[in-house]
Amino acid sequence: EPEVTQTPSHQVTQMGQEVILRCVPISNHLYFYWYRQILGQKVEFLVSFYNNEISEKSEIFDDQFSVERPDGSNFTLKIRSTKLEDSAMYFCASSAQVYEQYFGPGTRLTVT
Amino acid sequence: GENVEQHPSTLSVQEGDSAVIKCTYSDSASNYFPWYKQELGKRPQLIIDIRSNVGEKKDQRIAVTLNKTAKHFSLHITETQPEDSAVYFCAPMDSNYQLIWGAGTKLIIKP
Repeated sequence: EPEVTQTPSHQVTQMGQEVILRCVPISNHLYFYWYRQILGQKVEFLVSFYNNEISEKSEIFDDQFSVERPDGSNFTLKIRSTKLEDSAMYFCASSAQVYEQYFGPGTRLTVT
Repeated sequence: GENVEQHPSTLSVQEGDSAVIKCTYSDSASNYFPWYKQELGKRPQLIIDIRSNVGEKKDQRIAVTLNKTAKHFSLHITETQPEDSAVYFCAPMDSNYQLIWGAGTKLIIKP
């Protein structure tokens, strides 16, 4: 059964550094998403992406964040200048239609 | 925006008994109602969902019921097993097609 994959599984970075989190969505899916989950808390929506552009974004997704689909398979989240409060698990998800979103295993980002 | 509440926050049941988790939402335009299961350190896993044109959907030991008038939907797990222990999240979709997540219910299955 196809699954969403994410790399790396764990990223440690210093405050102010840029990070890029990578995702490979399920191959026939058209909608892509990033979520984050601070340890022990609920999942929070960051951004949705369809037809090579952002369709929705939350208040969390400010100018420090950007997303890109650089080729036919990868979907990336970039954080330009990381802050301590960006430490969280970041999940990528994809769906064939707008419903039934399937999640990747996550990247744990630790900002020191 | 959508306001989502889940109850209870923690639920402890004896193995073999049933568990029910309730989710209330505020956006009357919501029309998609999924439940996700998250084991410790793992990804959220879609376990069942329902669209607004049906009132109940069942998949083996798991069922979801929807009351659109009252704006709530519930997850029902029958004959609970140790592997059902996890955190369960409801995440109704709002009118902007965003999943708005509840705070989660920690389900503990006692042997």
